[in-house]
Amino acid sequence: GENVEQHPSTLSVQEGDSAVIKCTYSDSASNYFPWYKQELGKGPQLIIDIRSNVGEKKDQRIAVTLNKTAKHFSLHITETQPEDSAVYFCAASPYNTNAGKSTFGDGTTLTVKP
Amino acid sequence: EAQVTQNPRYLITVTGKKLTVTCSQNMNHEYMSWYRQDPGLGLRQIYYSMNVEVTDKGDVPEGYKVSRKEKRNFPLILESPSPNQTSLYFCASRSLAGSGANVLTFGAGSRLTVL
Repeated sequence: GENVEQHPSTLSVQEGDSAVIKCTYSDSASNYFPWYKQELGKGPQLIIDIRSNVGEKKDQRIAVTLNKTAKHFSLHITETQPEDSAVYFCAASPYNTNAGKSTFGDGTTLTVKP
Repeated sequence: EAQVTQNPRYLITVTGKKLTVTCSQNMNHEYMSWYRQDPGLGLRQIYYSMNVEVTDKGDVPEGYKVSRKEKRNFPLILESPSPNQTSLYFCASRSLAGSGANVLTFGAGSRLTVL
């Protein structure tokens, strides 16, 4: 089955700096890679996703890059703000919507210091 | 408002006392799934359901049961809870078609403690 490794487990940055979280996956059949943000006391919420036919995707201060050859993908947050402090999860799955399983990384706790 | 609702949000119980965590979604999603979140272990999938009366095991199904008798509901049943099932549980749902088909909508979580 799929195995997703996520690094680092904790990340502390100064407000305004950039933050990068990296994930690697094992199953070459995976072609959908979402990132979820979990704020304290809440469930995870999708912030950005990428499919394997795309190498990079941006949404304002957030970007995701994918290297399918190396089987890794990364989340980039620029100009970090205190409200970016949360736990971030990456995931990998086949894009086929009839695929039932989804595999998540272990999560990264991001702290943005004012 | 489109949402996934879990109950209870917090529960303390004792070993062996059967309990059910309910999950309901109002988005007419075909797919529903349960996860548990433990420190350092991320989100691990327990069971999922592709539609009514269709359920399958995730990565950590031992000690859990589910049922999907109605499209909107997907309860998680712990027949004989044990302390190693102390965890934070999340229910999630998604559509199987359309532009948002891969996007999971999560509930707010249910924190279970088994003494």
